[in-house]
Amino acid sequence: DAKTTQPNSMESNEEEPVHLPCNHSTISGTDYIHWYRQLPSQGPEYVIHGLTSNVNNRMASLAIAEDRKSSTLILHRATLRDAAVYYCILREALNLQGAQKLVFGQGTRLTINP
Amino acid sequence: DTEVTQTPKHLVMGMTNKKSLKCEQHMGHRAMYWYKQKAKKPPELMFVYSYEKLSINESVPSRFSPECPNSSLLNLHLHALQPEDSALYLCASSQSVNEKLFFGSGTQLSVL
Repeated sequence: DAKTTQPNSMESNEEEPVHLPCNHSTISGTDYIHWYRQLPSQGPEYVIHGLTSNVNNRMASLAIAEDRKSSTLILHRATLRDAAVYYCILREALNLQGAQKLVFGQGTRLTINP
Repeated sequence: DTEVTQTPKHLVMGMTNKKSLKCEQHMGHRAMYWYKQKAKKPPELMFVYSYEKLSINESVPSRFSPECPNSSLLNLHLHALQPEDSALYLCASSQSVNEKLFFGSGTQLSVL
């Protein structure tokens, strides 16, 4: 299984940008980079994913290094509700029928200070 | 409807009991998953179903038996569990390759 490395924890202040790094030096050409987050007492929630180009959505931005060995999840203006464990995951395509293997790494616990 | 519904939310069972966890989605997704999560650890993949067929079994002990009776429903049958099997069991579904997973809130299982 492809592996990712993330800091165990990070802290930021409310209304400031947050940059969450992820290293994935063994990534293969077909692996997608996915980010999920898990709020307390909830199941994981999809945040964003990408392959080669930077991606933006209403929740966050994903910046992918040119060599794809690392990526950064950017929360543009953190709120208290963004406090969660953030997982960077390399998704390996299983088959064309839609099954995929998402193997979670250890994740980064993000604390937001008021 | 963008929800994955898991029942029950909490379950306490003895080591000789037989119980089942249920997961339901009505998003038309054709892939469904079971994950196990111990406290303060990341979710671990257990099983993947694709078009109601078992596609992945991550070497899960036979005391866990998955079943996908139709495209909307996923069950996990439990029998003769051990106390170390106590964990949060998460169900998820996805539409297709490259699509995001939708997770339920999980069933918190305690084995006594």
